Amino acid sequence: KNEVEQSPQNLTAQEGEFITINCSYSVGISALHWLQQHPGGGIVSLFMLSSGKKKHGRLIATINIQEKHSSLHITASHPRDSAVYICAVKSVEYGNKLVFGAGTILRVKS
Amino acid sequence: EPEVTQTPSHQVTQMGQEVILRCVPISNHLYFYWYRQILGQKVEFLVSFYNNEISEKSEIFDDQFSVERPDGSNFTLKIRSTKLEDSAMYFCASSEGQGFYEQYFGPGTRLTVT
Repeated sequence: KNEVEQSPQNLTAQEGEFITINCSYSVGISALHWLQQHPGGGIVSLFMLSSGKKKHGRLIATINIQEKHSSLHITASHPRDSAVYICAVKSVEYGNKLVFGAGTILRVKS
Repeated sequence: EPEVTQTPSHQVTQMGQEVILRCVPISNHLYFYWYRQILGQKVEFLVSFYNNEISEKSEIFDDQFSVERPDGSNFTLKIRSTKLEDSAMYFCASSEGQGFYEQYFGPGTRLTVT
């Protein structure tokens, strides 16, 4: 069983749509990261959270510790949001390292 | 804004050759990491480094790999005798501390072993 599961694997949306990407994990965590990876390969950190909700511009990340689940929402999606979105968790069980999900490939069409 | 930098952006090498991938972490950060991503696969942890020694390493990080902080600013990953399966994107990251501290990633080095 994968330690970090993301869904969906692929997502195509029309510009302006509300998008949700989900992440489930199997152990107690100290932090969960949402990362964005563009076609060139570089990774940018979007959010780090351990509880509740964070918002930055059109991006919202939520986490439910009891259910071991997090969601990343994009409001009013735009073609420039097209990227791979990766969930990664840090847990005492894994030491100080991040354990990554497989990523969700998002394509927003205009 | 401070950022993590990596050089080179792309390295092509022949099987069996040694390569050194270089990273300059953010200057006040104390924890350093290397990750790799084989094409089409998920990002994987290789090694973490703190206080001039390895603090944790994965099963991938075998004897052909080594890390060093030679001069207080650079952080390097050496692969002694490259194999075809070492072809991947290698990311360096750094953080101020452990636990609830954000890790900042460099742009990556694409290593191609032929």
